Amino acid sequence: KAGVTQTPRYLIKTRGQQVTLSCSPISGHRSVSWYQQTPGQGLQFLFEYFSETQRNKGNFPGRFSGRQFSNSRSEMNVSTLELGDSALYLCASSLHQDSPLHFGNGTRLTVT
Amino acid sequence: AQKITQTQPGMFVQEKEAVTLDCTYDTSDPSYGLFWYKQPSSGEMIFLIYQGSYDQQNATEGRYSLNFQKARKSANLVISASQLGDSAMYFCAMREETFQGAQKLVFGQGTRLTINP
Repeated sequence: KAGVTQTPRYLIKTRGQQVTLSCSPISGHRSVSWYQQTPGQGLQFLFEYFSETQRNKGNFPGRFSGRQFSNSRSEMNVSTLELGDSALYLCASSLHQDSPLHFGNGTRLTVT
Repeated sequence: AQKITQTQPGMFVQEKEAVTLDCTYDTSDPSYGLFWYKQPSSGEMIFLIYQGSYDQQNATEGRYSLNFQKARKSANLVISASQLGDSAMYFCAMREETFQGAQKLVFGQGTRLTINP
């Protein structure tokens, strides 16, 4: 069974631009969540989707948004990029509430 | 709010020795789940082991075991017979209970484990 797939692996953008990251969950997993990892703040929850609905959102500005499609694939978008958005963005999927989250390899975003 | 504390920023262990990575947590929820993840330098987060708050026995998965002491609010990871490939960052995490069964993990700051040959 294929794991969680995130594309692209690496991304370099300029301040003010926008970016879209993609995540394909493990087949059959309907919950997809996103995390931001930085050296200073560690791992922080961004948002979680289930059946195309956002169920929970972390403490991030409105520039960070996401969506989930009917096939459970998810995208997150960051608009008006800032230097501080440079981070590893991790996507995770899970089968149900009591099952573990399985993470992808992440997308490393660098904002210059 | 839930909180995870990992007090060991780094640990150095000889190959084949056992190692214990500390994790304490704080929550007022009666039901919660605790996880350990391994993150090699390549970046992916690898699920290691899970412990539910109502589980009567400590979780084990191969060389990994979780020393769950509910009264002390600790969930230490024990790796037996360490190997060079165990060198990585290790994160303890708690599933935060939210409405509608939403999934959200709160992570500790991590422990960088280095296995010496």
